[in-house]
Amino acid sequence: DQQVKQNSPSLSVQEGRISILNCDYTNSMFDYFLWYKKYPAEGPTFLISISSIKDKNEDGRFTVFLNKSAKHLSLHIVPSQPGDSAVYFCAASPTGANSKLTFGKGITLSVRP
Amino acid sequence: GAGVSQSPRYKVAKRGQDVALRCDPISGHVSLFWYQQALGQGPEFLTYFQNEAQLDKSGLPSDRFFAERPEGSVSTLKIQRTQQEDSAVYLCASSLAPTKNEQFFGPGTRLTVL
Repeated sequence: DQQVKQNSPSLSVQEGRISILNCDYTNSMFDYFLWYKKYPAEGPTFLISISSIKDKNEDGRFTVFLNKSAKHLSLHIVPSQPGDSAVYFCAASPTGANSKLTFGKGITLSVRP
Repeated sequence: GAGVSQSPRYKVAKRGQDVALRCDPISGHVSLFWYQQALGQGPEFLTYFQNEAQLDKSGLPSDRFFAERPEGSVSTLKIQRTQQEDSAVYLCASSLAPTKNEQFFGPGTRLTVL
């Protein structure tokens, strides 16, 4: 059973527009959420995170929104740039020591020039 | 080093061979994780170390998989008698402290078992 779901395998967006990447989770013990970006032949790179005590966290062009009641989070990228083209993974963990991450399958984002 | 490094980057093994994958975490990082990423999937947890102590090995798929971190820095993931289903990218990640959720990943080792 997948505890973190990224149901859309791919997304294509025009440069300058907004990219919205969605993620759903099922485990109520998760209260810390992260987004990672991955280029081919590289490891995942940490992008942004959010704790369940917040509903929004912003860092430059990247904003993550958390709807705890719906067990849903989204990553907004505004404006999208061609260099943002990559695979984006949503990950979740319970807060606390020894917190292993549970990942979704990833979304491939393509930003068209 | 500036980031997590892993070696080798690519490994081809014949079925039945033993392999050893190395991870050098970020200096000073207490926590070290190993993940397995199959093609088209997200990384899946294998095992976790806090310093030299292996505190969680619940994700190791079989007793053919063994990991160690004897001095609390470099870690080795060993797979004995490799099988074709072991083919995957093996990712190592480290974090500064056990309560820090942000993990920093290495580039991975792509293992292909023929």
